Amino acid sequence: AQTVTQSQPEMSVQEAETVTLSCTYDTSESDYYLFWYKQPPSRQMILVIRQEAYKQQNATENRFSVNFQKAAKSFSLKISDSQLGDAAMYFCAYRSPVNTGTASKLTFGTGTRLQVTL
Amino acid sequence: NAGVTQTPKFQVLKTGQSMTLQCAQDMNHEYMSWYRQDPGMGLRLIHYSVGAGITDQGEVPNGYNVSRSTTEDFPLRLLSAAPSQTSVYFCASSFFGGPTDTQYFGPGTRLTVL
Repeated sequence: AQTVTQSQPEMSVQEAETVTLSCTYDTSESDYYLFWYKQPPSRQMILVIRQEAYKQQNATENRFSVNFQKAAKSFSLKISDSQLGDAAMYFCAYRSPVNTGTASKLTFGTGTRLQVTL
Repeated sequence: NAGVTQTPKFQVLKTGQSMTLQCAQDMNHEYMSWYRQDPGMGLRLIHYSVGAGITDQGEVPNGYNVSRSTTEDFPLRLLSAAPSQTSVYFCASSFFGGPTDTQYFGPGTRLTVL
């Protein structure tokens, strides 16, 4: 079974600065998908960014980018120019390849709470 | 297009009571699932369905039942609530498999069992 580990329960960043959230995972599969979800105080789960394991290029979405290191099984999220609205819980998640019967099941890490200060 | 909707938003039950958490989606997604979120443990999969009439167990299925009679609805039933089922419950849906199967989550239901 796959596992996802987020070793930083809490992080803090000043507004306009850059912060990196860590995520490692364990799997024996060679193809898979990785995600970062944001959960603000409203509780809504919001997809931030996704990465396909077969793509070497790191995914980016505006101020959000990832550092995907497949050999090290590491998938960190970098938030640039942090804003007050970025304050939330961030969850890293893993999904198996599309050709398996469990393709759409997500395995989540325990989350990192990000505080943004003035 | 309402996306994924869940009702109720909040619920308090007494031990032994039963209830159904409702989940509906209007995106014609084949795949639907239920997760529970507990402090310090992330989200864990309870049950999932890959289409009408097809359901299967996830990581933490005990104490919960599901059925999928239509593509749109995927209710989660607690037959005899226990304090250990106090949690926040999320329903999610997506197209099944493929590169576009991003999961869309509902707003969650906070359940307290006394």
